[in-house]
Amino acid sequence: ETGVTQTPRHLVMGMTNKKSLKCEQHLGHNAMYWYKQSAKKPLELMFVYNFKEQTENNSVPSRFSPECPNSSHLFLHLHTLQPEDSALYLCASSPGAFYGYTFGSGTRLTVV
Amino acid sequence: AQKVTQAQTEISVVEKEDVTLDCVYETRDTTYYLFWYKQPPSGELVFLIRRNSFDEQNEISGRYSWNFQKSTSSFNFTITASQVVDSAVYFCALSGTNTGNQFYFGTGTSLTVIP
Repeated sequence: ETGVTQTPRHLVMGMTNKKSLKCEQHLGHNAMYWYKQSAKKPLELMFVYNFKEQTENNSVPSRFSPECPNSSHLFLHLHTLQPEDSALYLCASSPGAFYGYTFGSGTRLTVV
Repeated sequence: AQKVTQAQTEISVVEKEDVTLDCVYETRDTTYYLFWYKQPPSGELVFLIRRNSFDEQNEISGRYSWNFQKSTSSFNFTITASQVVDSAVYFCALSGTNTGNQFYFGTGTSLTVIP
């Protein structure tokens, strides 16, 4: 499969639940990213991983916990979220920012 | 500082009209890249174009064209003879020598093409 694959596409969770978002790429890219896109708001960079190492944490609350076990997989573990965390979560990968990002289709998360 | 400004939040045009989406950027880098992405209602951001700071030639791809002007720090995007399928949110983005491995995105312009 080509491109960046995100699962699940849709997720509804309660505030006390624990869930994980998954992102997978087989493009050979070294960098992977999590973005949050809320309604009527700009894209917000959450985390950046380069060669499996986290290089950026954009002041994200600890209820969001990323994991990058290898250069092809990226997870976002969620626990005790708030309703305002409802958003589209986008994963992207890149061989280097000069070359552009390849985005996944996103996970639309609803916290109830 | 790196910054991308898309002043147009929402635009509506009637099908077959031409429309230009504006993008103004700020950077101190001498080497940088500019991008446009399209985000249809399905959610995935789709790459449209990449342009480096040393190439000011305008580019045309079918109904799409891009006008890069370093003098005004602008990288505008024109859709000719718009179609309903062009309805989407369009993002302009910047990456530079000193941005690490990151993009700086504008806030996006939501384009609605009315049939």
